Amino acid sequence: QKEVEQDPGPLSVPEGAIVSLNCTYSNSAFQYFMWYRQYSRKGPELLMYTYSSGNKEDGRFTAQVDKSSKYISLFIRDSQPSDSATYLCAMRGSGGYQKVTFGIGTKLQVIP
Amino acid sequence: EPEVTQTPSHQVTQMGQEVILRCVPISNHLYFYWYRQILGQKVEFLVSFYNNEISEKSEIFDDQFSVERPDGSNFTLKIRSTKLEDSAMYFCASRSTSGRRSYNEQFFGPGTRLTVL
Repeated sequence: QKEVEQDPGPLSVPEGAIVSLNCTYSNSAFQYFMWYRQYSRKGPELLMYTYSSGNKEDGRFTAQVDKSSKYISLFIRDSQPSDSATYLCAMRGSGGYQKVTFGIGTKLQVIP
Repeated sequence: EPEVTQTPSHQVTQMGQEVILRCVPISNHLYFYWYRQILGQKVEFLVSFYNNEISEKSEIFDDQFSVERPDGSNFTLKIRSTKLEDSAMYFCASRSTSGRRSYNEQFFGPGTRLTVL
């Protein structure tokens, strides 16, 4: 089983739709969960950050973590064409210099 | 807003040549990282660096790779004898240890695209 699994898509939605992106993981040591956005040939940009289980909301974005199911989600409300990008889930354990483990990324296209 | 910068943006080299990829982390950050992303694959951890030494490395980071912080601002990745399979985007990242928790996460540079011919 891969450490982090993410559907690569692509996922196409109309403008204004609610987008749901998900990842599952197998390593119980993961404590910190992130979502990065990556535009083509650019570096990952930190979008959302969550520690342990729970929800976190930031504008149109909501991140959810369910550690009991080893499942994390990112919801995008009122999606915009500018949201078109690849969304990478990422996670790490505790500790000062813990490496981040990424999912492969889901490519999202929001159609005007 | 401070950001991680990387040079060059694109490096083309012949197989067997040495390359040095350069990064300037965010100025008050103390942890530094290199990742790579082969085209169509996921971002993979290579190495982390703290207090002037390697703190963790992956199995990808073999003897052909080395990292250095030659001065107070730069952080470099050297590949001694490049192979075709080293062709990838290489991302530098840095992380703080203080302030808001979200700023304790890793911030990535724009990447250097390495092409080995």
